[in-house]
Amino acid sequence: DQQVKQNSPSLSVQEGRISILNCDYTNSMFDYFLWYKKYPAEGPTFLISISSIKDKNEDGRFTVFLNKSAKHLSLHIVPSQPGDSAVYFCAARITGGGNKLTFGTGTQLKVEL
Amino acid sequence: NAGVTQTPKFQVLKTGQSMTLQCAQDMNHNSMYWYRQDPGMGLRLIYYSASEGTTDKGEVPNGYNVSRLNKREFSLRLESAAPSQTSVYFCASSEPGQGIAEAFFGQGTRLTVV
Repeated sequence: DQQVKQNSPSLSVQEGRISILNCDYTNSMFDYFLWYKKYPAEGPTFLISISSIKDKNEDGRFTVFLNKSAKHLSLHIVPSQPGDSAVYFCAARITGGGNKLTFGTGTQLKVEL
Repeated sequence: NAGVTQTPKFQVLKTGQSMTLQCAQDMNHNSMYWYRQDPGMGLRLIYYSASEGTTDKGEVPNGYNVSRLNKREFSLRLESAAPSQTSVYFCASSEPGQGIAEAFFGQGTRLTVV
């Protein structure tokens, strides 16, 4: 049972435009949501997170929105840059779960010139 | 500041062989994790160690064992490798606490079992 879902395997965006990556979840016990970025042959690197008690968190070009009623979160990248081309994983942490993360399957973002 | 270091980076095993993947972190984190990444599957938790001296199974523990050697090191052992264990393995560490959720990952070990 996939508790964290990323239904778009890939996304292509032009440089300078907005990239929107989506993630859905099913478990109401998740208390933190995170986005990781992964380049080929490297480990995932933490990008941004949001607590379940908030609906928005912003860090520079990256903003994460959380809609708890819809069990949906999204990552907005504005403006998109070629260096943003990578696989983006959505992840979630269960309350009291020892920081174990449940990951989605990832979305490959390609930012074109 | 190395963060999380995994060895080896690449390995090819024959079915039935055994090997140990090593992981060390220098961030003084209490918790460490082993994940595997397979195409179309995201990252799945194999085992984790909430603190030195404790280990617990994750989502896909079958065929693996772990050892939390000390606070810095967490190893993953394949006793009898199978082709289904062909994957990229990531070690991670974190310091669970109020408002802290992110884990830091190593560069990964690409394992092929033939």
